[in-house]
Amino acid sequence: AQSVTQLGSHVSVSEGALVLLRCNYSSSVPPYLFWYVQYPNQGLQLLLKYTTGATLVKGINGFEAEFKKSETSFHLTKPSAHMSDAAEYFCAVSVASGGSNYKLTFGKGTLLTVNP
Amino acid sequence: DADVTQTPRNRITKTGKRIMLECSQTKGHDRMYWYRQDPGLGLRLIYYSFDVKDINKGEISDGYSVSRQAQAKFSLSLESAIPNQTALYFCATSDLGTGQYFGPGTRLLVL
Repeated sequence: AQSVTQLGSHVSVSEGALVLLRCNYSSSVPPYLFWYVQYPNQGLQLLLKYTTGATLVKGINGFEAEFKKSETSFHLTKPSAHMSDAAEYFCAVSVASGGSNYKLTFGKGTLLTVNP
Repeated sequence: DADVTQTPRNRITKTGKRIMLECSQTKGHDRMYWYRQDPGLGLRLIYYSFDVKDINKGEISDGYSVSRQAQAKFSLSLESAIPNQTALYFCATSDLGTGQYFGPGTRLLVL
């Protein structure tokens, strides 16, 4: 079975600083990997995804993530934090569950605080 | 209009009551899911359906049931609500492995 570990339940950065949110996964087969963002009182929005091909994936709002198979990692980064980035971020892994059907397994989330 | 809608958005009920949460989608996806979110625990899968005739239990299905009335509709029922079912509930849809699309959530409080 697959699993996801997000290191740090709470990350705090200053506006303009680098954002780094860590995600490690466990999967016995090649995974699909995702980052979702949840703003207060809202649902989850897909930030970016890795399926196959290029290991550096660019998403919305200036975020990107790199799939590193040797490290089983999929860390999320943004060069310069903005106040509007304050939210909770979830990493998720998806593997086949019979044929072409997939199930997502989520990490417990990382709350990002951006200080002025 | 939103691709995935959930009704109601907020609900307060009493212990022992039966309630139903409804989900509709206009994305044309075959796959639909119900999750609950609790602080510090992330999202946990309750039930999922890969097509109208397919229903599967997730990791925390006890105390819940579902109905897939049509491709676009997937309902979650709490047969006899209890306080530890107080949570934020999300419906989601997907097409193959390319990520899931979430509804806005239903906030449920069981007194």
